[in-house]
Amino acid sequence: AQSVTQLDSHVSVSEGTPVLLRCNYSSSYSPSLFWYVQHPNKGLQLLLKYTSAATLVKGINGFEAEFKKSETSFHLTKPSAHMSDAAEYFCVVRDAGKSTFGDGTTLTVKP
Amino acid sequence: DVKVTQSSRYLVKRTGEKVFLECVQDMDHENMFWYRQDPGLGLRLIYFSYDVKMKEKGDIPEGYSVSREKKERFSLILESASTNQTSMYLCASSVTGTGYVDEQYFGPGTRLTVT
Repeated sequence: AQSVTQLDSHVSVSEGTPVLLRCNYSSSYSPSLFWYVQHPNKGLQLLLKYTSAATLVKGINGFEAEFKKSETSFHLTKPSAHMSDAAEYFCVVRDAGKSTFGDGTTLTVKP
Repeated sequence: DVKVTQSSRYLVKRTGEKVFLECVQDMDHENMFWYRQDPGLGLRLIYFSYDVKMKEKGDIPEGYSVSREKKERFSLILESASTNQTSMYLCASSVTGTGYVDEQYFGPGTRLTVT
């Protein structure tokens, strides 16, 4: 069985400082991994995906994530937060045709 | 651009009513999904469909049914709405094929309140 744990339910950063949203997963196979963002009252938008081609994945809006198999982690980072990054972020693991979503991390960006 | 649309953004229904939530995608995707989203619980899969007239139960199918008569349309049905079905409902679609990672494309969501 697969599972996803987002280690922080809330993260607060100041504008211009780095962002780190943590995600650990468990999976029996070689999974695909995704990060989605959801702005208030909107649907989920794909930020980036891991497809086993490269362990460091670059996504939209300056976000990137590194797949670390030994640590079963897929943490999301951004060097400098912007006010528009305030949203909820979901880590997703997919294998054997099934997607499992983490519980989400709410990112707050302070001016 | 893939577009997934949902028939209503906000819906208020009474307990016991039959409720239909409609989802349409315009990219000829084989797979369609219905999730509910509740605070602190992430997204939970209700049902999914990988082809017309095909459906599979997700993690929380109780109290729901689905219909997929055409490839582009996937309906979620609450036969007799109850207050514990008050939630945000998200539809998604994806394509499956060799080499695809089948990321999901989401609609904007329907916020359903059952009173």
